[in-house]
Amino acid sequence: GAGVSQSPSNKVTEKGKDVELRCDPISGHTALYWYRQSLGQGLEFLIYFQGNSAPDKSGLPSDRFSAERTGGSVSTLTIQRTQQEDSAVYLCASSADRRTQYFGPGTRLLVL
Amino acid sequence: RKEVEQDPGPFNVPEGATVAFNCTYSNSASQSFFWYRQDCRKEPKLLMSVYSSGNEDGRFTAQLNRASQYISLLIRDSKLSDSATYLCVVNSPGGYQKVTFGTGTKLQVIP
Repeated sequence: GAGVSQSPSNKVTEKGKDVELRCDPISGHTALYWYRQSLGQGLEFLIYFQGNSAPDKSGLPSDRFSAERTGGSVSTLTIQRTQQEDSAVYLCASSADRRTQYFGPGTRLLVL
Repeated sequence: RKEVEQDPGPFNVPEGATVAFNCTYSNSASQSFFWYRQDCRKEPKLLMSVYSSGNEDGRFTAQLNRASQYISLLIRDSKLSDSATYLCVVNSPGGYQKVTFGTGTKLQVIP
């Protein structure tokens, strides 16, 4: 379909490994957001992209987290040396007007 | 004080009941407001925008009270399918219109 897609849908990894999560926004949406949601909790903002630049990275919890966006489209969120507390659902959203956000189905990350 | 606050609930209501949720925000300069719905283990989806004059979409009515800095969502004639978590979203001015999500109010409609 034409919605936001994310891959993988599920990821199980061992503590200390690096993981890369991918987001394909809706075509033409210039704004892209990453959030994290732990079980039973609210959305935690991680980073915002406008085009390829990230005006707000304030939500990244540590320097183990990084993200990039290329071609004003696909974005990847990388978590290095994963820890068990990184286990969560990572949600990506895109927006054409920086107001209404359309979410992808998320990547469920489990760090063992 | 949190930027956006919601009563987490759960609100357990019988089918057919009317239920209302409030959401308060701290930044008086906030510009746009939304309600999203999130089903269990699913992504949030836009339910409706909230306009200054209030707006209605079928059984759902959203209102904004700028003076008291809260928005509300009213659901009439609740259906079992309305069971979900309702997220309040506030856009505040800034370099890029900062978006803040509330932690959500859980609604359970009971047969």
